[in-house]
Amino acid sequence: DTGVSQNPRHKITKRGQNVTFRCDPISEHNRLYWYRQTLGQGPEFLTYFQNEAQLEKSRLLSDRFSAERPKGSFSTLEIQRTEQGDSAMYLCASSPLNEQYFGPGTRLTVT
Amino acid sequence: EDQVTQSPEALRLQEGESSSLNCSYTVSGLRGLFWYRQDPGKGPEFLFTLYSAGEEKEKERLKATLTKKESFLHITAPKPEDSATYLCAVQAGTGANNLFFGTGTRLTVIP
Repeated sequence: DTGVSQNPRHKITKRGQNVTFRCDPISEHNRLYWYRQTLGQGPEFLTYFQNEAQLEKSRLLSDRFSAERPKGSFSTLEIQRTEQGDSAMYLCASSPLNEQYFGPGTRLTVT
Repeated sequence: EDQVTQSPEALRLQEGESSSLNCSYTVSGLRGLFWYRQDPGKGPEFLFTLYSAGEEKEKERLKATLTKKESFLHITAPKPEDSATYLCAVQAGTGANNLFFGTGTRLTVIP
């Protein structure tokens, strides 16, 4: 399968714990995006990488959130000191230019 | 402020009953309008990109059109497997690469 992959698919954590998600983009895509989606809403943009450079960050990305894309390949999104409001589906997308192709998402539940 | 509004929120159709979904937008400098299909618990699946008013694209039973203020997704003779949430998104502004999504239309096609 040559699509975008995300791991884990589901994560349940207790409030205050740190979590990390991984995204493997389509191999020839140099652009990578993270979005967050809550029930009944469309995805909301979090951050954007072109190769290894993080070029855009949304106001939604608080200081507890950090993302990396070492060597311009896979990316990780870390949430520190999770809160119940962080419960959502975290989506990764990659793009060669304009069209963005999404992965299956990581569903985070904070208890 | 950029705004994307989709209507209706939900739509129930009999199999074979054609209809249209609407996406109206207010953005500064539209660079592209995107349609995605999303099944429950999965990431959005790319359908179409439209770049300029008057443009049309087709794929199987779906046809997307674009004007200066809105886009329509026409569904001809739908089948139960077309049941999904259809999301509209815009890419706007100079230099911005993220997609700004509407809240979607939840389509149910009844056999």
